[in-house]
Amino acid sequence: AQSVAQPEDQVNVAEGNPLTVKCTYSVSGNPYLFWYVQYPNRGLQFLLKYITGDNLVKGSYGFEAEFNKSQTSFHLKKPSALVSDSALYFCALTEERGNFNKFYFGSGTKLNVKP
Amino acid sequence: NAGVTQTPKFQVLKTGQSMTLQCAQDMNHEYMSWYRQDPGMGLRLIHYSVGAGITDQGEVPNGYNVSRSTTEDFPLRLLSAAPSQTSVYFCASSELAGGYNEQFFGPGTRLTVL
Repeated sequence: AQSVAQPEDQVNVAEGNPLTVKCTYSVSGNPYLFWYVQYPNRGLQFLLKYITGDNLVKGSYGFEAEFNKSQTSFHLKKPSALVSDSALYFCALTEERGNFNKFYFGSGTKLNVKP
Repeated sequence: NAGVTQTPKFQVLKTGQSMTLQCAQDMNHEYMSWYRQDPGMGLRLIHYSVGAGITDQGEVPNGYNVSRSTTEDFPLRLLSAAPSQTSVYFCASSELAGGYNEQFFGPGTRLTVL
């Protein structure tokens, strides 16, 4: 069965420092992986996705993520955090085989960027 | 484009009442879905649709019904509300069915069942 884990409920970083938000997954086939961001009282917004190809994926607002098949991870990264990056981040998964119309989300990681 | 719209924004129900959460998109998207968001549990898929007249169950379908008579609309019906259905509900759509497409989310409906 597919599943997504975000092991950290909260990540705290100082503005200007690099940030990492962790995501690990479990699927039987090839994964399709996504990152979304949610600002307070808003719906989720798409950041980036990995479908196939280059393991380093670049997305919106300077975010990137690295797909690591051997470690079954898809960590979100940014070289220099901004206070405005403070939000709730979700990793999501579906897979190439089986029912690829069903998406599974992690529990979310709250990112706090302090000035 | 208004994108994905949801009504109402807030709703309070009593146990046993029924209601319909509305969702509409104006992007001619093929795929639409409903999620519930609960603290510490992320988003869980309730139902989804890959086109008009086609719906299927997600991870947590019990207590909810959906239909898709048009491409634009995908209402979610609570048949007999229970306190366990207190949650924030999000509707989402993507251009095509299939797991490689990003989803566009509505602003959500906050539902409280007393």
